[in-house]
Amino acid sequence: KAGVTQTPRYLIKTRGQQVTLSCSPISGHRSVSWYQQTPGQGLQFLFEYFSETQRNKGNFPGRFSGRQFSNSRSEMNVSTLELGDSALYLCASLRGPNTGELFFGEGSRLTVL
Amino acid sequence: GQQLNQSPQSMFIQEGEDVSMNCTSSSIFNTWLWYKQDPGEGPVLLIALYKAGELTSNGRLTAQFGITRKDSFLNISASIPSDVGIYFCAGHNSGGSNYKLTFGKGTLLTVNP
Repeated sequence: KAGVTQTPRYLIKTRGQQVTLSCSPISGHRSVSWYQQTPGQGLQFLFEYFSETQRNKGNFPGRFSGRQFSNSRSEMNVSTLELGDSALYLCASLRGPNTGELFFGEGSRLTVL
Repeated sequence: GQQLNQSPQSMFIQEGEDVSMNCTSSSIFNTWLWYKQDPGEGPVLLIALYKAGELTSNGRLTAQFGITRKDSFLNISASIPSDVGIYFCAGHNSGGSNYKLTFGKGTLLTVNP
């Protein structure tokens, strides 16, 4: 069974630009979550999608957005990039609604210059 | 919001030694999970605990769900060099609109061969 796939793995942007990251969950998993990981803040929840609907959102500004498609694939977008947006962005799919068992992709490493 | 206090922040041990790390919360969780993250990779699920007082093993790893539901610990016995990495605890509450994990800040484990 293929794991969670994220693209791209690495990218470099400049301040003010926007970026779109992609995630394909494990086959059969319908819930996709996004987390931001930085050395200072650790793993911070961004948002979670199920059946193309955002069910939960973390405390991030409106520049951070996401969506989910009918095939459960998800994208997240960050507009007007700031230096502080440099981080590892992790996507995870949920094994079941009551398990809490998230399976993570390898992440997309974003560097903002 | 919910916060998890994970300790120690880092550990430097000799190969063969046993390791113990723990996590405490200001509020209760229905599920406790432990993840390991290698450099450049996403977190990998090690153990999930669903019942207060539950003790679960996965090879050389043993984790317990505290009886108060506000804490959990992870033990690694007879450490080996490949145990090196960052270990994260996470709490989860199923139901309602809470489809996210709350993570501790992690324990960096270094094993000296």
